[in-house]
Amino acid sequence: SAVISQKPSRDICQRGTSLTIQCQVDSQVTMMFWYRQQPGQSLTLIATANQGSEATYESGFVIDKFPISRPNLTFSTLTVSNMSPEDSSIYLCSGSFLGGNEQYFGPGTRLTVT
Amino acid sequence: KNEVEQSPQNLTAQEGEFITINCSYSVGISALHWLQQHPGGGIVSLFMLSSGKKKHGRLIATINIQEKHSSLHITASHPRDSAVYICAVVGKGAQKLVFGQGTRLTINP
Repeated sequence: SAVISQKPSRDICQRGTSLTIQCQVDSQVTMMFWYRQQPGQSLTLIATANQGSEATYESGFVIDKFPISRPNLTFSTLTVSNMSPEDSSIYLCSGSFLGGNEQYFGPGTRLTVT
Repeated sequence: KNEVEQSPQNLTAQEGEFITINCSYSVGISALHWLQQHPGGGIVSLFMLSSGKKKHGRLIATINIQEKHSSLHITASHPRDSAVYICAVVGKGAQKLVFGQGTRLTINP
């Protein structure tokens, strides 16, 4: 299993600024994912964070807006760039092991953009 | 049409009632997850199923692969069960999850 922590747990940011969210796993996971949950909506996958290479983005999400880093198998960051109020969401990371269907979720980061 | 559909979207019940939340999906899957999200936003994985039935305490999850349908049951419901319950599937050959829209459950004392 894996335990995932995220920092910060919540933040209020001004329009036009950027925020970097950190995701730390207590074991080496093969896959890491970043999700967004807009108010009243279900989760949507932003991208798969690949260790040592560029992230794989889902349709509608681009690297310039959501740059992702994954320097090793236990850590990843998601940056929300040039924020607008529409970016106000909960951002979650998750991890899974190769060949396993189990996914482990972080507690989420609640972002409010004013 | 979404790949994963849940019903009902909202459910309010009295403490002690038996609760059922349904999930239908339209793609071939390798696994199905039931997740619980409390108001703070954090998500807890309740079950992962690929066949049959699993039970944990007062929670039971079943899946029928042929009918592409799963149910989550809560027996003797309690106000602390109030949360959003989310069904998510892993497509065959994939690792990413596709989520249902969630069911908001409220249990009144």
